[in-house]
Amino acid sequence: NAGVTQTPKFRVLKTGQSMTLLCAQDMNHEYMYWYRQDPGMGLRLIHYSVGEGTTAKGEVPDGYNVSRLKKQNFLLGLESAAPSQTSVYFCASTPGHGGFEQYFGPGTRLTVT
Amino acid sequence: GDSVTQMEGPVTLSEEAFLTINCTYTATGYPSLFWYVQYPGEGLQLLLKATKADDKGSNKGFEATYRKETTSFHLEKGSVQVSDSAVYFCALRSSSQGAQKLVFGQGTRLTINP
Repeated sequence: NAGVTQTPKFRVLKTGQSMTLLCAQDMNHEYMYWYRQDPGMGLRLIHYSVGEGTTAKGEVPDGYNVSRLKKQNFLLGLESAAPSQTSVYFCASTPGHGGFEQYFGPGTRLTVT
Repeated sequence: GDSVTQMEGPVTLSEEAFLTINCTYTATGYPSLFWYVQYPGEGLQLLLKATKADDKGSNKGFEATYRKETTSFHLEKGSVQVSDSAVYFCALRSSSQGAQKLVFGQGTRLTINP
């Protein structure tokens, strides 16, 4: 049982490049989330999903897109990276339907130059 | 909207000192409250939680009591260890958020010196 995994762990992009971050969970959780963590700002919700095939915007969605084609995977895309997207990105999942503890992945450190 | 405010860090203490990290919240209704911990290089882990007023959450020697009258959920530990060095996040989950979304405070970095 690996829990929540994220790939890659580190990435450096040039401004304007695109990339996709992958989050996978093997706990059969319904809900999945993408956060970004910046110094002094805690975690801010980018997008989330309440089930396979559904996504919704969080607090800071601009510049990001997501997809949840399979229940166990939640992808975060950056179509045209900007230096303001330099951050640490965390994925989390929760069972839903009464289970409210969020389980976090180890994070992806992204630098945009 | 809902929000969480934590005491600003960083906090540096000596081993065996008493720890308090303050957390206050603003929310509609009766939120559930959480403390998460992030050890260096890792994701967040749930440390403790409380779901209603006057509940006390506890784990690994840490405690926090849900105080509705002061809208607070302060984290305490009687005797800290070097291994407690981490970043601590207070968070709430409110019915107004829907979809089990959490609202996090900004985090407090704790360093314990031997």
